[in-house]
Amino acid sequence: LAKTTQPISMDSYEGQEVNITCSHNNIATNDYITWYQQFPSQGPRFIIQGYKTKVTNEVASLFIPADRKSSTLSLPRVSLSDTAVYYCLVGDLNRDDKIIFGKGTRLHILP
Amino acid sequence: DAGVTQSPTHLIKTRGQHVTLRCSPISGHKRVSWYQQVLGQGPQFIFQYYEKEERGRGNFPDRFSARQFPNYSSELNVNALLLGDSALYLCASSSSAGANRETQYFGPGTRLLVL
Repeated sequence: LAKTTQPISMDSYEGQEVNITCSHNNIATNDYITWYQQFPSQGPRFIIQGYKTKVTNEVASLFIPADRKSSTLSLPRVSLSDTAVYYCLVGDLNRDDKIIFGKGTRLHILP
Repeated sequence: DAGVTQSPTHLIKTRGQHVTLRCSPISGHKRVSWYQQVLGQGPQFIFQYYEKEERGRGNFPDRFSARQFPNYSSELNVNALLLGDSALYLCASSSSAGANRETQYFGPGTRLLVL
């Protein structure tokens, strides 16, 4: 089972770009990398998913190097409402694996 | 389209009681997973069901059980409740097996407090 390691917390300021890196050294060939955002007492919200190189959607970008042993979630021009916990997950639901959440990264956006 | 729905939203029970939590997946999703999230921690995997069969189980005691119905909705049952079972219980659904990149979508959760 691929385990992930993320920084426990990060602070940033409104309007800045925030990059959160996740390490997953034993990622398997079929594993995808998925990031979720979670606000207190709410379910995690899907942000972005990727397999390799770069993926971009309306809220974030995901950068994955060729060896896929890490990934970086990039949030452009953050606002106060981006204060949340961000989880990096690695897995393949088709394998019926347990999907493991780490402790996540607590992102605190300052005015 | 409606997202994953869970009921009830909040629940208070006492030690030793039994609880049933319910989840309705996104329409067309056949895979349902359950997670327990205690305060300050990431969600912990409990069960995964696909086509009414258990496909995965986390490190939880036998007091925890679940099932999936023909309409793909699911129930999580917890017997003999302990204080430590107080948590946010999350349900997630995803599309059918065979897709290369299934994504789990989470419900709002059920907040269980055991006194």
